[in-house]
Amino acid sequence: SAVISQKPSRDICQRGTSLTIQCQVDSQVTMMFWYRQQPGQSLTLIATANQGSEATYESGFVIDKFPISRPNLTFSTLTVSNMSPEDSSIYLCSVVGLAGATDTQYFGPGTRLTVL
Amino acid sequence: AQSVTQLDSQVPVFEEAPVELRCNYSSSVSVYLFWYVQYPNQGLQLLLKYLSGSTLVKGINGFEAEFNKSQTSFHLRKPSVHISDTAEYFCAVSDHTGTASKLTFGTGTRLQVTL
Repeated sequence: SAVISQKPSRDICQRGTSLTIQCQVDSQVTMMFWYRQQPGQSLTLIATANQGSEATYESGFVIDKFPISRPNLTFSTLTVSNMSPEDSSIYLCSVVGLAGATDTQYFGPGTRLTVL
Repeated sequence: AQSVTQLDSQVPVFEEAPVELRCNYSSSVSVYLFWYVQYPNQGLQLLLKYLSGSTLVKGINGFEAEFNKSQTSFHLRKPSVHISDTAEYFCAVSDHTGTASKLTFGTGTRLQVTL
């Protein structure tokens, strides 16, 4: 079965710095998404990562704070910029199109971020 | 726009007992419905999904769910739980557009299985 990996798996960062999270899939997919899961909360969609063009952000999320890249059909990055303790969350990528399934999102293992 | 309500934030149950985790949704269009499980310190794993057809859907690890359109529900059930089922369970809905679009998640239900 296809594998979705994220790097780093966890990190502890200082306030004001930035962290880039990578999402790698071992086969081509049609869509990639980024979610945030704040402590004890459910998942909230940050944006849809579009290949070769700007990401589509959900209400409340902006490109300056969460720049996203998707250079090809298997890879995407999410950067959390100018971090504050409120950014401490689990960040998950999800993909659509694994094994031809266009109706289901599959999730990576997540990146657990703590901001001090 | 859709919304998902998981009525129980926590469900304690003894091992080998049956369990039902409730999920209700609201949508003005046809939807796809999903249950995901999140084990401690892990990502989300797909348990099962309803796209169309039979309203009773069987998933992994002995779980099943029944789509009830009139009650706008998609409750998850297991006849006999195991300690290893202890996890957070999320119900989610997406538009019935033919391709997976934005998922809207419920707030989650923590299933705690004890001896």
